[in-house]
Amino acid sequence: GAVVSQHPSWVICKSGTSVKIECRSLDFQATTMFWYRQFPKQSLMLMATSNEGSKATYEQGVEKDKFLINHASLTLSTLTVTSAHPEDSSFYICSATGQAANTEAFFGQGTRLTVV
Amino acid sequence: DQQVKQNSPSLSVQEGRISILNCDYTNSMFDYFLWYKKYPAEGPTFLISISSIKDKNEDGRFTVFLNKSAKHLSLHIVPSQPGDSAVYFCAASGASGGSNYKLTFGKGTLLTVNP
Repeated sequence: GAVVSQHPSWVICKSGTSVKIECRSLDFQATTMFWYRQFPKQSLMLMATSNEGSKATYEQGVEKDKFLINHASLTLSTLTVTSAHPEDSSFYICSATGQAANTEAFFGQGTRLTVV
Repeated sequence: DQQVKQNSPSLSVQEGRISILNCDYTNSMFDYFLWYKKYPAEGPTFLISISSIKDKNEDGRFTVFLNKSAKHLSLHIVPSQPGDSAVYFCAASGASGGSNYKLTFGKGTLLTVNP
């Protein structure tokens, strides 16, 4: 299957700092990328959808000024958690899809963010 | 409002037996369903999918059944192997919203296959 690489796989940061997470599609052009977060024993919750070259669409309840998403190219999307707080500690996962219809989304390996 | 429900948080089966993982959905706009397998601290990996025009899709040991009238799907793994032990997520997507593959996930079922 296609490969989606997410970096870093884990990060610890101090409260108030910003953290950038990268999501790259390595062998296909990702027209759409999705960002999810997962709390322990909970489902993956969609945060936002980003299409290359346009502004991300955020789900209800997700602060767009706090979770900045950039999808500048067909192979890279970034999620920046700004002014991180301990409650932002979570597992963040990206997924990417190409243009073909009815194909599965490919996921990155996820990023464990811990804010101390 | 949980649109995709996996009511069993865990399931334990013996190696060689069948594992049946269940998933229910409420949104009638969903028309494409996927199962993902996830190990701790890793991203989900795609397992198998089914379109709403079908009622069964098979891939090796994995078969997904879809009952549209009941808004229910299930994943059958036979024979189950210890390496199948993982969390299995059911996911659904629909044509509404204009965004392909905006997936709605269930909470997952932890499958443990005992040797």
